[in-house]
Amino acid sequence: EAGVAQSPRYKIIEKRQSVAFWCNPISGHATLYWYQQILGQGPKLLIQFQNNGVVDDSQLPKDRFSAERLKGVDSTLKIQPAKLEDSAVYLCASSHKTSGSTDTQYFGPGTRLTVL
Amino acid sequence: TQLLEQSPQFLSIQEGENLTVYCNSSSVFSSLQWYRQEPGEGPVLLVTVVTGGEVKKLKRLTFQFGDARKDSSLHITAAQPGDTGLYLCAGATNSNSGYALNFGKGTSLLVTP
Repeated sequence: EAGVAQSPRYKIIEKRQSVAFWCNPISGHATLYWYQQILGQGPKLLIQFQNNGVVDDSQLPKDRFSAERLKGVDSTLKIQPAKLEDSAVYLCASSHKTSGSTDTQYFGPGTRLTVL
Repeated sequence: TQLLEQSPQFLSIQEGENLTVYCNSSSVFSSLQWYRQEPGEGPVLLVTVVTGGEVKKLKRLTFQFGDARKDSSLHITAAQPGDTGLYLCAGATNSNSGYALNFGKGTSLLVTP
């Protein structure tokens, strides 16, 4: 079974530029998560989708971050405009079960973003 | 957001030694998960503990969930260089908006031959 795919793996941009990340979850997984992992810290949930609907985006900085999962499969996360403090690894994860139960989240390799 | 504190933050040991990593919180979790993350990769789930007092073993790794479901420990026996990585604990909470994981900052383990 193919794992969670993410692209690009690395991205370097200057502050105030825009950037987009793409995630293709494991086939059949209803729930998709985007996490931000700053160096030296654990992943922090940015947004959670169940199929194509948003379940939780309480920690998403909505003034600059946006995400969509239009067809309930792959997803994009966008930052516009980027700030220096956005430098981090952006992890995508997916899980099979719907909300309300402890489930295994499978993580992609992440996109390492550097904002100069 | 419930805070999870992990200790120690860094650990460097020699092959064959034993070690314990701790994960503590003031909050109660419905379950707690342990992940290992290697450089350039996403975290990989090691175990999920659900019941207070639960102990699970995975080869040389022993996981324990506190009786009050607020804390957990990971014990590695006879560590090997392949155990090197970032160990993350994550507490799970269920709410009307779904199931969410709160991660600790992790313990970075280096096992030298």
